[in-house]
Amino acid sequence: NAGVTQTPKFQVLKTGQSMTLQCAQDMNHEYMSWYRQDPGMGLRLIHYSVGAGITDQGEVPNGYNVSRSTTEDFPLRLLSAAPSQTSVYFCASKGQFGGWDTEAFFGQGTRLTVV
Amino acid sequence: GENVEQHPSTLSVQEGDSAVIKCTYSDSASNYFPWYKQELGKGPQLIIDIRSNVGEKKDQRIAVTLNKTAKHFSLHITETQPEDSAVYFCAASIGEYGNKLVFGAGTILRVKS
Repeated sequence: NAGVTQTPKFQVLKTGQSMTLQCAQDMNHEYMSWYRQDPGMGLRLIHYSVGAGITDQGEVPNGYNVSRSTTEDFPLRLLSAAPSQTSVYFCASKGQFGGWDTEAFFGQGTRLTVV
Repeated sequence: GENVEQHPSTLSVQEGDSAVIKCTYSDSASNYFPWYKQELGKGPQLIIDIRSNVGEKKDQRIAVTLNKTAKHFSLHITETQPEDSAVYFCAASIGEYGNKLVFGAGTILRVKS
């Protein structure tokens, strides 16, 4: 059971380039989300999905796109990378049981540098 | 929107002492409050959580307390050990089914041996 798998682990982009951060989970979780982590700011929600075909914006969505065509995958796309998007990105998934929240599982993170 | 404040930002304790980290939240509809531990180069891992229908939960050396009236919750670590050194995040759930987590800024805990 791999849990939440993120690729790549490290990436350097030039300003204006585009790329996709991959996230896959094998726990059949309905909910998946993307966070970015910056020093002194904790984790901030970028986008989230409550199931295949359904996505919504989080706290800091500008400059990022997502789609959810399958339960397992939730890729994050940077359309035109900017230095302000230099950060560590985490994907997380969680299930739901009886209406209550359950544990959110995080991937190992992708460290992105935009130069 | 929901705001979660976490204090202190850094905490140094002597091995064997207790550590307390406090968080406050703003959305009275929040009903799930997890605590995550993040070690260097890794993703956050859940260490304990509490739901709004209980006031306290304990798991060996760690405990969490929740005061819904005051909208604050705290993490207590007793008999600290060097391996407790990490960054700790509190969070509060918002949204339908609580599917969105809002995180505090984090506390760097250093346990000195």
